[in-house]
Amino acid sequence: AQKVTQAQTEISVVEKEDVTLDCVYETRDTTYYLFWYKQPPSGELVFLIRRNSFDEQNEISGRYSWNFQKSTSSFNFTITASQVVDSAVYFCALSEAQRSQGNLIFGKGTKLSVKP
Amino acid sequence: DGGITQSPKYLFRKEGQNVTLSCEQNLNHDAMYWYRQDPGQGLRLIYYSQIVNDFQKGDIAEGYSVSREKKESFPLTVTSAQKNPTAFYLCASSIETVPYGYTFGSGTRLTVV
Repeated sequence: AQKVTQAQTEISVVEKEDVTLDCVYETRDTTYYLFWYKQPPSGELVFLIRRNSFDEQNEISGRYSWNFQKSTSSFNFTITASQVVDSAVYFCALSEAQRSQGNLIFGKGTKLSVKP
Repeated sequence: DGGITQSPKYLFRKEGQNVTLSCEQNLNHDAMYWYRQDPGQGLRLIYYSQIVNDFQKGDIAEGYSVSREKKESFPLTVTSAQKNPTAFYLCASSIETVPYGYTFGSGTRLTVV
């Protein structure tokens, strides 16, 4: 069955530290998509990245980077030189092209607190 | 600006009452979704609709109902049959069923008093 596991419930770091949020997924589909969303205190989920199962290239966007490894079914998210504004709940999500009709399956989220 | 509007932001309901949460989008998206968020539980899918006048149950549809009479609107009714309705409700939309990423509304926090 499809599943997304974010083992870290809460992480607290001091500003300027690097932090990695872990995401492990389970799927039987060969075609699937992985996502990361950020939920600030305001509540709205903000889309960060989408990655399909055929593209294992790592991606960097400013201070954000993502490491996709099919061999370990992981899609980890690293924030370099964290800032207070990065404090939020981060969700990893999976979509299977066939089995779940494209619907997103979310992990339980990791709450990141960045202290000044 | 295009986006999703959820209203109200906060809603209080007495036990035994039905209540309807509004979700409107002007993104011309075909698919719309309702999720429920509880502390430590992540987001769970309640209902989704891929086209007007059609919708499907998600993982936790019991006690909820929806309609999709217009492409732009996907209201969610929390009925008295929902035993534990206090939660944060998020509406989302996507351009088609193979997701390029959902666009989310800002949510409605429902509290039963």
